[in-house]
Amino acid sequence: DAGVIQSPRHEVTEMGQEVTLRCKPISGHNSLFWYRQTMMRGLELLIYFNNNVPIDDSGMPEDRFSAKMPNASFSTLKIQPSEPRDSAVYFCASGPEIRLYGYTFGSGTRLTVV
Amino acid sequence: DAKTTQPNSMESNEEEPVHLPCNHSTISGTDYIHWYRQLPSQGPEYVIHGLTSNVNNRMASLAIAEDRKSSTLILHRATLRDAAVYYCILIRYGNKLVFGAGTILRVKS
Repeated sequence: DAGVIQSPRHEVTEMGQEVTLRCKPISGHNSLFWYRQTMMRGLELLIYFNNNVPIDDSGMPEDRFSAKMPNASFSTLKIQPSEPRDSAVYFCASGPEIRLYGYTFGSGTRLTVV
Repeated sequence: DAKTTQPNSMESNEEEPVHLPCNHSTISGTDYIHWYRQLPSQGPEYVIHGLTSNVNNRMASLAIAEDRKSSTLILHRATLRDAAVYYCILIRYGNKLVFGAGTILRVKS
C-alpha cells in the first residue's frame, strides 16, 4: 500500500497563474478530504467527497478554488487565479468509514505563490 | 462541530509516560473521540480512537471518562520521536474531521 499520494511535493508559481494539485487516495477508501495548513490558521478543511460526490465544500475560501473527483482513484484541487495568500501546505486525506477507523494523510504539497 | 479543549503545550521527559488531556463537555452519544498527531514537516497521522471504552493499540492508549466529557491520550514511554502536535477531535455522523489548535508536546532527553 503506497498510501495517499500527492503531487507535486512543491510548487512555486507566479501570482495569477493556475495551479492544480493532485491526489491519489488509498484504494478502497470512499471518503476523500482536502485540507490547507498555514501558521496563522492551522489545519482547515476545504472540501470532502464521499463516493466521488462533494458532500461539504463550505471550507473552500472563494470561487478561485475548485475541486473535482472524477473517479475513485483521483482528485484535483485547482486554484485559478492564484494569489500570494494561497501559499500554504495542502494535504489530501482518505479513509473508509471515518468514525470507525481513521484518515490517512498524504505528505502534502507546499505551494508558494510569488 | 463539537468542540474540544486541550492545553496549548506540554513537556515530558524521555522514557516517561505522558498523559495528554482533552475536554469535550458537549459530546453527544454518537460522537467518536479521535486522536491524531502531526510530526514536524509531516502530514497528520491517525493515533487512536474510541467511543465509550478505553482503547489500546501499538502507539498509545485512550482513556475515556465514564461520562465521556473528557479523555486522555497516554503515551506509555515518550521518545524524542513523539514530539509533535496532538489533536483531539470529535467526529459525528457525517465524517467531518475538523482540527483545533492541538497540544504541542515537547520531549526532553
